[in-house]
Amino acid sequence: LAKTTQPISMDSYEGQEVNITCSHNNIATNDYITWYQQFPSQGPRFIIQGYKTKVTNEVASLFIPADRKSSTLSLPRVSLSDTAVYYCLVGKSNTGKLIFGQGTTLQVKP
Amino acid sequence: DSGVTQTPKHLITATGQRVTLRCSPRSGDLSVYWYQQSLDQGLQFLIQYYNGEERAKGNILERFSAQQFPDLHSELNLSSLELGDSALYFCASSVESNQPQHFGDGTRLSIL
Repeated sequence: LAKTTQPISMDSYEGQEVNITCSHNNIATNDYITWYQQFPSQGPRFIIQGYKTKVTNEVASLFIPADRKSSTLSLPRVSLSDTAVYYCLVGKSNTGKLIFGQGTTLQVKP
Repeated sequence: DSGVTQTPKHLITATGQRVTLRCSPRSGDLSVYWYQQSLDQGLQFLIQYYNGEERAKGNILERFSAQQFPDLHSELNLSSLELGDSALYFCASSVESNQPQHFGDGTRLSIL
């Protein structure tokens, strides 16, 4: 059974780099990995998506090792406003099913 | 603003009842997804439609059904409601499968 696992919570301080790792042991070749951010009383918001190696956009980087059994979301220089829940999602290319991790609550402290 | 509109924002009903949740996708998006979010189960994918046709099915109960209409809006029907159906229901849309999804702000369903 495909499963996506991530830490339940993390703490950081303003200005630090934060790395959140997601484990997805049963990922298949064409499955994709997406990360979302969610604030209370709002829907998740897209951060970044990738298939392999490294992807970078204006807000984050996504590192995916060669075996693709894990992925790491990297948030550079976090601020208090980055306090939120971060979800890893694996999209199964063969069935179309979408499997979310349980979410990582990031608390950024001043 | 994601461009995805969900109505109603809140819904309170009783066990055994039936409700319909509505979603208007972002302009230009052909794909609509439904999710259930509860405290103990997290975000659970229910079902996806693409341009009116069902494309993928997740952990959707038989008491639940959905459809996507020609104007691309979608409805999620929940029947024979149980206390455990109390949750946040999110709709999301994307241009195509495998593309980033844009989520609405959800409908909070409370079963009394």
